[in-house]
Amino acid sequence: NAGVMQNPRHLVRRRGQEARLRCSPMKGHSHVYWYRQLPEEGLKFMVYLQKENIIDESGMPKERFSAEFPKEGPSILRIQQVVRGDSAAYFCASSPEVARYNEQFFGPGTRLTVL
Amino acid sequence: LAKTTQPISMDSYEGQEVNITCSHNNIATNDYITWYQQFPSQGPRFIIQGYKTKVTNEVASLFIPADRKSSTLSLPRVSLSDTAVYYCLVGAISSGSARQLTFGSGTQLTVLP
Repeated sequence: NAGVMQNPRHLVRRRGQEARLRCSPMKGHSHVYWYRQLPEEGLKFMVYLQKENIIDESGMPKERFSAEFPKEGPSILRIQQVVRGDSAAYFCASSPEVARYNEQFFGPGTRLTVL
Repeated sequence: LAKTTQPISMDSYEGQEVNITCSHNNIATNDYITWYQQFPSQGPRFIIQGYKTKVTNEVASLFIPADRKSSTLSLPRVSLSDTAVYYCLVGAISSGSARQLTFGSGTQLTVLP
């Protein structure tokens, strides 16, 4: 049973470009969560999605950031017009339904570097 | 939202038992307490969760006093491979919210030979 997959593992973008991060949840999982981690800090919740629905986006910046989890295919976190402050590790987690007692399964992360 | 406080770092030696305490004074009635482990350049890994009293699995034990204002993660007989950051989370995920899904700064555990 494959774990949570994220790609790319490393992404380099210049300021003003778009970054697109992909997350394939574990088989049978229909809930996806995105987090951002700055160096030497803990993970910050960004958005919680189910198939075709955004459940909670309270942690996501209102501008330039968007997320989707279509009926088919991976979940996508999109960052438009990236700035240097967007450089971070972005983690995706999944759970089979509402996470039992907060148990989530994390992917290896995508490390975004903005030049 | 329940705020958590953990020690920034701890050192231990191989074979010892390690106890990491997390304070969460304003924990809500519906909140669970969950601990994750994170190695460098990897995503966090679920260790254990509990609501009250004591929970034990093959990896760790979690002690929660009656008032639930703190919790202690206990790692028996640590090895060098247990060197990692340990996060305490307090909250609950519901069908409409992922409240409190923010990891604090965590505790950097360093196991020495």
